[in-house]
Amino acid sequence: DTGVSQDPRHKITKRGQNVTFRCDPISEHNRLYWYRQTLGQGPEFLTYFQNEAQLEKSRLLSDRFSAERPKGSFSTLEIQRTEQGDSAMYLCASSLFSIDEAFFGQGTRLTVV
Amino acid sequence: QQQVKQSPQSLIVQKGGISIINCAYENTAFDYFPWYQQFPGKGPALLIAIRPDVSEKKEGRFTISFNKSAKQFSLHIMDSQPGDSATYFCAPGTASKLTFGTGTRLQVTL
Repeated sequence: DTGVSQDPRHKITKRGQNVTFRCDPISEHNRLYWYRQTLGQGPEFLTYFQNEAQLEKSRLLSDRFSAERPKGSFSTLEIQRTEQGDSAMYLCASSLFSIDEAFFGQGTRLTVV
Repeated sequence: QQQVKQSPQSLIVQKGGISIINCAYENTAFDYFPWYQQFPGKGPALLIAIRPDVSEKKEGRFTISFNKSAKQFSLHIMDSQPGDSATYFCAPGTASKLTFGTGTRLQVTL
């Protein structure tokens, strides 16, 4: 296991379509985080999981966004009815206990046309 | 996001010089103060971090200085190298969440 893996790396979708991203954390990492990074900005926190429980959600995570982590392993982030403003890099990170050990994946770049 | 302000936005340093990036925050609940390095097309990678019970930490060419009363911390890169050219983010946080600054694009010239 060489790190946090995200799939796909790039996604182009038409406005109004649904998209789903997958994150595979480092093995045995209990915590999993999702961040969103728009061009020229720092990443913004979206949500985090402790095992399968979603413990915190940002106000940025509108009702069109949903994240899951079934069985406390991989996680998916789904965006329904995509809008152009959803275009961003979606980053996943994982850690064993707390954020100070977190490792980030390379991200999924979403472009909504 | 406005609660974390980073400066400068961009920085050009000659090879061998010192790069200094500053970060100011507002949230007194932060108890973890990291700097991340990000290359184009890659996710952020932890560079160095400090806890509030320490005022300075050095790891190789990288030093982080922390001023709790001023709610500021900074990154110093000594003997800057072209390979250090990247975007740097401060990202103070708590046990479960980081709040990233807007980033500093560093370019190290030959």
